[in-house]
Amino acid sequence: DSGVTQTPKHLITATGQRVTLRCSPRSGDLSVYWYQQSLDQGLQFLIQYYNGEERAKGNILERFSAQQFPDLHSELNLSSLELGDSALYFCASSYTGKGANTIYFGEGSWLTVV
Amino acid sequence: AQSVTQPDIHITVSEGASLELRCNYSYGATPYLFWYVQSPGQGLQLLLKYFSGDTLVQGIKGFEAEFKRSQSSFNLRKPSVHWSDAAEYFCAVGNQAGTALIFGKGTTLSVSS
Repeated sequence: DSGVTQTPKHLITATGQRVTLRCSPRSGDLSVYWYQQSLDQGLQFLIQYYNGEERAKGNILERFSAQQFPDLHSELNLSSLELGDSALYFCASSYTGKGANTIYFGEGSWLTVV
Repeated sequence: AQSVTQPDIHITVSEGASLELRCNYSYGATPYLFWYVQSPGQGLQLLLKYFSGDTLVQGIKGFEAEFKRSQSSFNLRKPSVHWSDAAEYFCAVGNQAGTALIFGKGTTLSVSS
């Protein structure tokens, strides 16, 4: 158990809908990362937050957004869902998000868009 | 730009045999290197990491990896593979700025009896 908690574990929704994925980082970790894992694209970095502020952006679509709250949990919002958004979404956390710090991953949220 | 290459998409090893999974990285400065393992339907578990110092690092589950700067490699090894090691293995590179890890495409390990 990495200490990173993601909910829900599985989600099935229809095209055009909106979903929210939630992540609680490890106790004491200030930085949260979101990744998307799909068969064709592999593990793609979406976005990083550090202590409530956006730190880095990767290949995140405009239909997707995220935020990190004062209690450091994070949410990834996916809207106008398309079939191609079906993937495993990982949240990860680290203490500082800088330097030699280790990034720990949650078990992921499986999203199926039908 | 940072990148990671795992040349082997799929490897099959007999139980009890030794294992080496290859990883090559591209990065201008000293990289931080990681190996993660993903069992079917599971999340990513950290096996080991290299930040600095001794270039041979030990990890969990009997795995080790060696950082070779001259070859830009960070290969993962295990002397004797167990059936439970069957999984997908990912090599990743990070940096001092703490931007997100860049992952390789992964190597799927099958273990035959």
